[in-house]
Amino acid sequence: QVQLQESGPGLVKPSETLSLTCAVSGYSISSGYYWGWIRQPPGKGLEWIGSIYHSGSTYYNPSLKSRVTISVDTSKNQFSLRLSSVTAADTAIYYCARQRKYDSGGYYHDAFDFWGQGTMVTVSS
Amino acid sequence: DIQMTQSPSSLSASVGDGVTITCRASQTISSYLNWYQQKPGKAPKLLIYAASSLQSGVPSRFSGSGSGTDFTLTISSLQPEDFATYYCQQTYSTTWTFGQGTKVEIK
Repeated sequence: QVQLQESGPGLVKPSETLSLTCAVSGYSISSGYYWGWIRQPPGKGLEWIGSIYHSGSTYYNPSLKSRVTISVDTSKNQFSLRLSSVTAADTAIYYCARQRKYDSGGYYHDAFDFWGQGTMVTVSS
Repeated sequence: DIQMTQSPSSLSASVGDGVTITCRASQTISSYLNWYQQKPGKAPKLLIYAASSLQSGVPSRFSGSGSGTDFTLTISSLQPEDFATYYCQQTYSTTWTFGQGTKVEIK
């Protein structure tokens, strides 16, 4: 069974960089799939942050692109998120997830099929 | 960005009721629409992908339909474990977006 586990500081100061890691077990990142980060401010909805392929190819939400870096370490079977210049608006639960491509009628449809439990990150001085 | 609007924002229903949640996209997204269920304190769970395909292990009382801009998630007979918040997600554009969520509460 695929399992994902986020880790990182729960408190980050404004203007600093948020750094999180997602450790994957039960599946080798090198075998394929994209891997993504999604966040959820307290009591609010979901926001996709960005995704990375095992090769290192990335794509990001344009609203965050200037501040986001997602990287992968296949030797450790994990991938990471860095979000710079954080403000209180970046306070959220951060989830990592596996992004699977489903073949439906000859077209590929992406969806997040396995998720980590999430980690709360608060931006405050 | 493509905006996803769900309705209603919340609803109350009883065990055994049929429930329908609607998701409307601000522009056509073909069938690039997923549905997730989220319970308090838990990560979202994929229910439906490609608008109408049931994810493995998801009970058959869940179904999805629609294409273009209008989509529905239907729960044929609500069970106690179905009380949760449901989100739609479009993956048509390069910027994926979610609906604001629909909370299904016990009447």
